[in-house]
Amino acid sequence: GENVEQHPSTLSVQEGDSAVIKCTYSDSASNYFPWYKQELGKRPQLIIDIRSNVGEKKDQRIAVTLNKTAKHFSLHITETQPEDSAVYFCAAAYSNDYKLSFGAGTTVTVRA
Amino acid sequence: GAGVSQSPSNKVTEKGKDVELRCDPISGHTALYWYRQRLGQGLEFLIYFQGNSAPDKSGLPSDRFSAERTGESVSTLTIQRTQQEDSAVYLCASSLAVAGSSYNEQFFGPGTRLTVL
Repeated sequence: GENVEQHPSTLSVQEGDSAVIKCTYSDSASNYFPWYKQELGKRPQLIIDIRSNVGEKKDQRIAVTLNKTAKHFSLHITETQPEDSAVYFCAAAYSNDYKLSFGAGTTVTVRA
Repeated sequence: GAGVSQSPSNKVTEKGKDVELRCDPISGHTALYWYRQRLGQGLEFLIYFQGNSAPDKSGLPSDRFSAERTGESVSTLTIQRTQQEDSAVYLCASSLAVAGSSYNEQFFGPGTRLTVL
C-alpha cells in the first residue's frame, strides 16, 4: 500500500517568514495530493490539493508543488501569520481507490 | 448546510467493554470513511464505504473492529472487547465519490475521543 512520509515533524517560524513542509510517497499510481490543516481540538480541513497532471498550484499565501518523478510534494506558506499555527497533514490517494494515506503531520508554530 | 456529525463526542469505557461510534455524513455523499488518530500522530485509514459496493476493510487493525453503513446514510463503527491501545480520536469523513471521476474532497466530522481505562 501507499506510504507517505512527512518532514519536519515540528516547525517554528517568525511571523512573516515562510514555512515549507515536504512529503514523499511510495506508490507511483497515486495521483491526488491534498493538504489538511488541523487546529487544536478541531477537525482536519482541506486547505489545498494538487492532482498529478499539475506541477504547481497556488492559493493566496499557500502553494503546493509536485514532482512526480521524484515522488515528492511540498507545501509552502508565505508571509506566515499567527493563525497559521496548526498541525498540517499531507496525504496521497489513487483516484479510483479514494482512501487517503496520511503523513504523520507537521506542527507549525508561528512566533509573533 | 450541515456538515459531518459524529456521536458521542467523548466516550470513556472500561477495558473489555464494547463501544459503538456513530457518523452522520453530509446528505448526498456516497462515500464514507473512518480514520483513527492517536495522540500526536497522523490519521490512520480504517474502512471505506462507497454506495452499494463491498466496503474496503483493509485498514481495520483487528477482528475486534467492524463497521456498518445503512444505505448512503449513517455509519456505525463498533469496537468489541476494547483495549487501552484503542484509545484515540476516531474521525469520520464523507465525500461525493462518483466512479471514474476525479477525486473529491473528504469532509471530516469533529471526531469521537475514545478513552479506554
